[in-house]
Amino acid sequence: DGGITQSPKYLFRKEGQNVTLSCEQNLNHDAMYWYRQDPGQGLRLIYYSQIVNDFQKGDIAEGYSVSREKKESFPLTVTSAQKNPTAFYLCASSVSNSPLHFGNGTRLTVT
Amino acid sequence: EDQVTQSPEALRLQEGESSSLNCSYTVSGLRGLFWYRQDPGKGPEFLFTLYSAGEEKEKERLKATLTKKESFLHITAPKPEDSATYLCAGGSGGYQKVTFGTGTKLQVIP
Repeated sequence: DGGITQSPKYLFRKEGQNVTLSCEQNLNHDAMYWYRQDPGQGLRLIYYSQIVNDFQKGDIAEGYSVSREKKESFPLTVTSAQKNPTAFYLCASSVSNSPLHFGNGTRLTVT
Repeated sequence: EDQVTQSPEALRLQEGESSSLNCSYTVSGLRGLFWYRQDPGKGPEFLFTLYSAGEEKEKERLKATLTKKESFLHITAPKPEDSATYLCAGGSGGYQKVTFGTGTKLQVIP
């Protein structure tokens, strides 16, 4: 079955530590995205990538980094510079102007 | 700045009690209005894309409609399994430009 796999489902980290969230897709989609979801707010775009080895900042990129070494993979690193990292992180993919297809998210808690 | 506003924030319905969710948008150069369903702890699941005013799409008990300023998600005779948060989003410009609303949390009581 084609889809997007995010791992882990839950992640706990201490303040000051970097953490990497995994996102893998087997839909053969060119574009991949990272969104952050907080209670009472719409999904906000962190980073997106339209092709391998290229990515652009979204609306809230500060404190985050990404890489796109393979078409199937788009990991997100939450660095210690992110002021408020506790959130639900969603990875998505799409082709051209098609709707976004989402994974099931990673809930990150930083204490 | 593009904006998508959903109302109400939460809606509680008896099973079989039909209603509508509202999505008001100001999105420059709208290329598509999207509806998603999100269950707790999961990612959004795509429901519909509407491209132009007057367009309607249906899926089981759900029907989405679009005007130049609003979209409605009509739920006919809902069942408890329709309980979820429904998200509306407007796409514009490049395909990375999608503005999401904050969602309507629907609870259907047996």
